[in-house]
Amino acid sequence: EPEVTQTPSHQVTQMGQEVILRCVPISNHLYFYWYRQILGQKVEFLVSFYNNEISEKSEIFDDQFSVERPDGSNFTLKIRSTKLEDSAMYFCASSGGRETEAFFGQGTRLTVV
Amino acid sequence: GENVEQHPSTLSVQEGDSAVIKCTYSDSASNYFPWYKQELGKRPQLIIDIRSNVGEKKDQRIAVTLNKTAKHFSLHITETQPEDSAVYFCAGEQGDKIIFGKGTRLHILP
Repeated sequence: EPEVTQTPSHQVTQMGQEVILRCVPISNHLYFYWYRQILGQKVEFLVSFYNNEISEKSEIFDDQFSVERPDGSNFTLKIRSTKLEDSAMYFCASSGGRETEAFFGQGTRLTVV
Repeated sequence: GENVEQHPSTLSVQEGDSAVIKCTYSDSASNYFPWYKQELGKRPQLIIDIRSNVGEKKDQRIAVTLNKTAKHFSLHITETQPEDSAVYFCAGEQGDKIIFGKGTRLHILP
C-alpha cells in the first residue's frame, strides 16, 4: 500500500541552525501539507501546497518557514534559525483532492537544543 | 477561519460499552469532517469521515453523525475494545486546510 514517507525520523539541532525536513508524498496525490504536533497537544496546520505553490498557511508559518517541491517527488519544509519552541513532531501529509483522506507520514521529531 | 472544538479531553469507558466524542465547528462553509485516531508515538490515521450532504455514516463499530444546522458532529464507538484506546481527533476542512480539534484521549477499562 502506498504511504507517505518522511526523513529523518529524528533530528537534533542547535538553536539558530537551519533544518530541512523531507517528505515523499504518495505519487499521484495533488495536495501536500505540513503539520506539527507539540508533545501531548493537538495537530496544528502549518501549510498546504497545491499546483506548485502555497495555497494556505497558518499564522505559525511565518518567514522562518519555507516549503519546496524541488523535483516532483520530494516535498520539503525548511526552518531557518530554529528556536527552542520549534521542538515538535512534524508531520507531512498528502491527499488526492479536496474532501478526501489526507494520509500522514510517520513524522520527524525535531529537537532544538 | 475555521475553529474546531472537541470534548471531552479525556474519556474512560468500560470495555464493551459505547464511547461518544463531540465536536463543533465555526465555518458554515466547511463540508468535510474527518476523524483521526492516533496511537502513542504513531501518525494520525483516518478512521471515518463524513461530508456535509450526509447526516450519518457507519462503518462496523464506528459511526459519525453531522448536524450542519447546529454545526456539530459526533463520533460513536460501540462495543469498545482494548485496541480502541488512543487519542481521537475530529477535524474540519476549510479551503485547502484541515483544522484539528484538541483531541480526546480514550481509555478502555478492563
